[in-house]
Amino acid sequence: AQSVTQLGSHVSVSEGALVLLRCNYSSSVPPYLFWYVQYPNQGLQLLLKYTTGATLVKGINGFEAEFKKSETSFHLTKPSAHMSDAAEYFCAVSLTDKLIFGTGTRLQVFP
Amino acid sequence: DAGVTQSPTHLIKTRGQQVTLRCSPKSGHDTVSWYQQALGQGPQFIFQYYEEEERQRGNFPDRFSGHQFPNYSSELNVNALLLGDSALYLCASSLRREQFFGPGTRLTVL
Repeated sequence: AQSVTQLGSHVSVSEGALVLLRCNYSSSVPPYLFWYVQYPNQGLQLLLKYTTGATLVKGINGFEAEFKKSETSFHLTKPSAHMSDAAEYFCAVSLTDKLIFGTGTRLQVFP
Repeated sequence: DAGVTQSPTHLIKTRGQQVTLRCSPKSGHDTVSWYQQALGQGPQFIFQYYEEEERQRGNFPDRFSGHQFPNYSSELNVNALLLGDSALYLCASSLRREQFFGPGTRLTVL
């Protein structure tokens, strides 16, 4: 069975600092992997996805993630945080076109 | 191009009642999935519809049912509401493995 673990329910960074949100997955076969962002009282917006090919994936708003099969990880990074990045972030795995989400990480950005 | 739309945005019901939530997919998308997001949790997959049939189902009781219409829009029905059904219900449409989410319907069961 597939599952996703997001390490750290809350992450706080200063504006301009590196953002690192951790995600580990469990899957018997190579999955599709996704990061979504959710702003308060809104739906989910896709940040980036990994399907096949290049393991470093670039997404919107300066975010990127690297698929590491040996570590079963798909951590999300951004070199310099903006205040507007404050939101809830969800990692998800998909094998059969249904998404299995982690419990989310709330990112706070301080001035 | 309108994205995924859902109605209503908010709904308040009492225990035992029934509710219907609606979703219109993104133009060109033929698959609709429904998710339940409880407060402070990640979304949980309820079921998925394709060609008007339920293609996959998550671990939800039969009180949760759905329908997909020929124009690909979809409904989620929940019978005999429980307090624990209070959540944000998200609809997502997809064409090829990439799901686009609507803003959700916030259901409160009193």
